[in-house]
Amino acid sequence: QKEVEQNSGPLSVPEGAIASLNCTYSDRVSQSFFWYRQYSGKSPELIMSIYSNGDKEDGRFTAQLNKASQYVSLLIRDSQPSDSATYLCAADMDTGRRALTFGSGTRLQVQP
Amino acid sequence: GAGVSQSPRYKVTKRGQDVALRCDPISGHVSLYWYRQALGQGPEFLTYFNYEAQQDKSGLPNDRFSAERPEGSISTLTIQRTEQRDSAMYRCASSLGVSLAGINNEQFFGPGTRLTVL
Repeated sequence: QKEVEQNSGPLSVPEGAIASLNCTYSDRVSQSFFWYRQYSGKSPELIMSIYSNGDKEDGRFTAQLNKASQYVSLLIRDSQPSDSATYLCAADMDTGRRALTFGSGTRLQVQP
Repeated sequence: GAGVSQSPRYKVTKRGQDVALRCDPISGHVSLYWYRQALGQGPEFLTYFNYEAQQDKSGLPNDRFSAERPEGSISTLTIQRTEQRDSAMYRCASSLGVSLAGINNEQFFGPGTRLTVL
């Protein structure tokens, strides 16, 4: 059973639109959540971390966490073609280890 | 400042040979992690260290895989008697780990080592 689930996509949005990426997780005790961006052939790049219920904004990015519903999302405002990448959701399953459990990623395509 | 570095970037080896993959974490980062990433998937945990202590090796596939971090900085992942199924991208990440501010588990990845076993 996959512990972190993401829709594989591709999610296609026009340039300037809001891209909404979603992630659900199975472990109720997960405490920390992260969004990584991975361009094709490159390594994952940390773009957002969120630890508390609610919204966290950083520039064009907003992460949203709802622990009761066990989902975390990433909104990208004013999407740009350069945002086209795979977005990986990761959770720090609080089982005493600090390793991250990743979803399979959602591929985002921003159409010019 | 320098990020996480890994070497070699590419390794081609023959089945049955041993390989050693190296990771140099961000300076000052206490925690170091090894992951393996298959195409189209997210990274999958292998093992991690706090300082020189291996905290968890539950993700290592079998006893051909081992890792060390003897001085709490550079780490080596060793695969003995490689098999074709070991072919993958091996990624290293580091984080500040435990600090006075609490646990900081924001992990930063290196460029990875692409291992191909023929």
